[in-house]
Amino acid sequence: KNQVEQSPQSLIILEGKNCTLQCNYTVSPFSNLRWYKQDTGRGPVSLTIMTFSENTKSNGRYTATLDADTKQSSLHITASQLSDSASYICVVSANVSNTGKLIFGQGTTLQVKP
Amino acid sequence: GAGVSQSPSNKVTEKGKDVELRCDPISGHTALYWYRQSLGQGLEFLIYFQGNSAPDKSGLPSDRFSAERTGGSVSTLTIQRTQQEDSAVYLCASSFQGTNEKLFFGSGTQLSVL
Repeated sequence: KNQVEQSPQSLIILEGKNCTLQCNYTVSPFSNLRWYKQDTGRGPVSLTIMTFSENTKSNGRYTATLDADTKQSSLHITASQLSDSASYICVVSANVSNTGKLIFGQGTTLQVKP
Repeated sequence: GAGVSQSPSNKVTEKGKDVELRCDPISGHTALYWYRQSLGQGLEFLIYFQGNSAPDKSGLPSDRFSAERTGGSVSTLTIQRTQQEDSAVYLCASSFQGTNEKLFFGSGTQLSVL
């Protein structure tokens, strides 16, 4: 069964600190893995997309890693800011034509406190 | 338009009534997706359009749910005889061609069935 599991479920950190969010997946055949940020009351916004051959990708203070062998990904946030408070969603795309199915994780809720 | 637009942003209805939710994708995007997000839950895939056709509608939870897309642009998600368990945020997303690309999400329609 195709699944995406994220940990931790929620996280509280102080402003300025770093944190790492984890994503494990069992999706086959694999196409790509994305990280999205979802602010409360808004739709998700794409942070990174990584294919099988990419093992790291950065977007400002966000750095995502991918280990396709162990089927694990992480999202590292550096020097956190209050605006980083959001839900972070790991999404895996299966390489199946004519399908809209992206497999979504449950998300990690991050709260950055001053 | 500049982004994916959904309307209404909030809809309160009585159990048993029909509702229509509208999505205006980014101009030129051929792929359009509907998702449902219940409180505190991950995104649940409903249906995927490529142009005006829906090659994947496997996520529609029952025959009370239907969707159409006209002119390769606007899409309408219709829920007939609404039930309380239909209460959720309904998110629409579009991408240029398909699921291997970045998805751009609207802000969603918050549906509350009383």
